[in-house]
Amino acid sequence: AQTVTQSQPEMSVQEAETVTLSCTYDTSESDYYLFWYKQPPSRQMILVIRQEAYKQQNATENRFSVNFQKAAKSFSLKISDSQLGDAAMYFCAYSLGAGNQFYFGTGTSLTVIP
Amino acid sequence: DTAVSQTPKYLVTQMGNDKSIKCEQNLGHDTMYWYKQDSKKFLKIMFSYNNKELIINETVPNRFSPKSPDKAHLNLHINSLELGDSAVYFCASSQRFRTQTPGAGGTQYFGPGTRLLVL
Repeated sequence: AQTVTQSQPEMSVQEAETVTLSCTYDTSESDYYLFWYKQPPSRQMILVIRQEAYKQQNATENRFSVNFQKAAKSFSLKISDSQLGDAAMYFCAYSLGAGNQFYFGTGTSLTVIP
Repeated sequence: DTAVSQTPKYLVTQMGNDKSIKCEQNLGHDTMYWYKQDSKKFLKIMFSYNNKELIINETVPNRFSPKSPDKAHLNLHINSLELGDSAVYFCASSQRFRTQTPGAGGTQYFGPGTRLLVL
């Protein structure tokens, strides 16, 4: 069964510092996508970053980057220069090819300390 | 323009009532979804649907039914509402892998959510 595990229910970071959120997944597939979504208090689900499993290069989006370790089935999110607006629930997810099945982790609540 | 929209944003109703939540996407995607997010923020997929196939999560009670009048709409009907149905419901859409726009396949785009409270 495919699962996504986020082992950190809560994390905190000082403003301007760097924080890493961890995510592991379990799949027997070789072709898939990985995602991080952010859910602020407004509860809108916002795509932060996505990674294609067949690409070895780690995806980056401005202050957000991932460390994708395919063999270890690990997909961590690094937030650099943390800002107050980064405070949110972060969900790791992955999507399989056929049928667009989508699996979410249980989320990590990030607090940014001024 | 809003990519994925849902109405209503808030829905307060009595136990036993029947209600619907509407969802529309203007992204031209071929697959739409409904998720339930409980009070612990856990996201659970309820349905995924495209023109040809409805996939139902077997844990979803049959009081819940998706209705798709066309490719851009997937509405959620709930019969005989129960207290445990209180949650936030999200609609989402995506395009199948490696079709059309490069780099977008598989990404799900979410609506703003509908907070349902059953009294």
